[in-house]
Amino acid sequence: DIQMTQSPSSLSASVGDRVTITCRASQSISNYLNWYQQKPGKAPKLLIYAASSLQSGVPSKFSGSGSGTDFTLTISSLQPEDFATYYCQQTYSTLWTFGQGTKVEIK
Amino acid sequence: EVQLVESGGGLVQPGGSLRLSCAASGFTFSSYWMSWVRQAPGKGLEWVANIKQDGSEKYYEGSVRGRFTISRDNAKNSLYLQMNSLRAEDTAVYYCARDQQWLGNGFGYYYGMDVWGQGTTVTVSS
Repeated sequence: DIQMTQSPSSLSASVGDRVTITCRASQSISNYLNWYQQKPGKAPKLLIYAASSLQSGVPSKFSGSGSGTDFTLTISSLQPEDFATYYCQQTYSTLWTFGQGTKVEIK
Repeated sequence: EVQLVESGGGLVQPGGSLRLSCAASGFTFSSYWMSWVRQAPGKGLEWVANIKQDGSEKYYEGSVRGRFTISRDNAKNSLYLQMNSLRAEDTAVYYCARDQQWLGNGFGYYYGMDVWGQGTTVTVSS
């Protein structure tokens, strides 16, 4: 199975900060990489697919980049509603896997 | 409104069985792959299984293969997960999700889970 590793596992940031989360795959996955946001007690929400394509309705402050094994999710200016846990997911293989998550907390 | 509603969760003893259901509405269910994803208490997301539009292809995460069976009934707009030989480590919130697809760059489709249910809780304990 393809292992996905996110870093950091958690971070503290202030409103207005630019935040970057990294996801690394155990083998090349081209750009078959998604990002999700999950708030406590809620279902996840798709933010980015194909590494850099913004899902419909998602604000442009979210952006994704990368290809091969290394990917990033960037939030350009953190707002109160962005404090959540973020997950990457690969769909390159038929057995999909998620990263362990990055919790973004208020500083 | 596009919606997925799970049901069937509950408390079950180790070794027992449970069948989860997911009712879809607001979209053409038979046009989409569908997935089950779970989340153990305080833990991250884990993809469990998915199924092709016509049920002809199914894929499973390693720890559930041979114990869980994903199925669908397109006439009833419903997705199912039959869970047998349940273990304590299967305790989780189980979500059903729609697998949206976009044309890829020459290597198949891109997939992303764009619609999710609210989840149903499965607790495996004696």
